[in-house]
Amino acid sequence: TQLLEQSPQFLSIQEGENLTVYCNSSSVFSSLQWYRQEPGEGPVLLVTVVTGGEVKKLKRLTFQFGDARKDSSLHITAAQPGDTGLYLCAVPRGAQKLVFGQGTRLTINP
Amino acid sequence: DVKVTQSSRYLVKRTGEKVFLECVQDMDHENMFWYRQDPGLGLRLIYFSYDVKMKEKGDIPEGYSVSREKKERFSLILESASTNQTSMYLCASTTGVWQYFGPGTRLTVT
Repeated sequence: TQLLEQSPQFLSIQEGENLTVYCNSSSVFSSLQWYRQEPGEGPVLLVTVVTGGEVKKLKRLTFQFGDARKDSSLHITAAQPGDTGLYLCAVPRGAQKLVFGQGTRLTINP
Repeated sequence: DVKVTQSSRYLVKRTGEKVFLECVQDMDHENMFWYRQDPGLGLRLIYFSYDVKMKEKGDIPEGYSVSREKKERFSLILESASTNQTSMYLCASTTGVWQYFGPGTRLTVT
C-alpha cells in the first residue's frame, strides 16, 4: 500500500487546456513537496507547502495543501508542451528522508 | 549552480557482473541518497548516507551495497547484477529536506 496515491497516473491533453492532478493520503504531514521530472533528467523541486490550506503559485501552476494536511493538488492553467513530464509529490519521513508518490505522467500535445 | 553528477547515463551489464554506479555532488552536503525508479512505483530508497563512512539501509537494500569514502562521492554497488535490477537509478543529496537529484543512470541487465 502506497503512503501517497497520485491521480491520475497518466494524463494527455491539448495545449491550452487546464488540468488538475492530485496527491492523497490518509496520513497527516508536516509538509509536502512537488517535483517535476523531465524525460532523461532527475526530479527538480517545484514547491514546498507547509500550512494547511496553503496556496502557492508558480507562473501557471497553482499548488494547494489540504486543510487537514493529508492531500495536495496541482492545477495548471493553459498547459503548454513544456509542462510535459512526470509530476511527483513527496513527504518527509524521518530526518532528511522523503517518501514519493508513484507520479502523474503528463503529456501536453501541441 | 548546484550540481549532482552520475558517472553514466546508460549502462548495459550481464547477469552476475559486479556493477558500480558513482555519484558526485559539489555542494558539500552531508546527506546523500540512492533511489531506483520503476514505472508505476515512483522512487524507492535503496540506501542513504548521512556522513562519510556512515550508511543506512532504505526500503529495498537487498542486492545492493554502498560506499562513501569522501563527502562528495557516494557509490552504489550491485555485487552480482540480476535482471530484476534493470531500472533507472537516481542519486540525490541534501542538507535539509529539499533534495537535489542527478540525471539518473538507466541500467539494463541482460
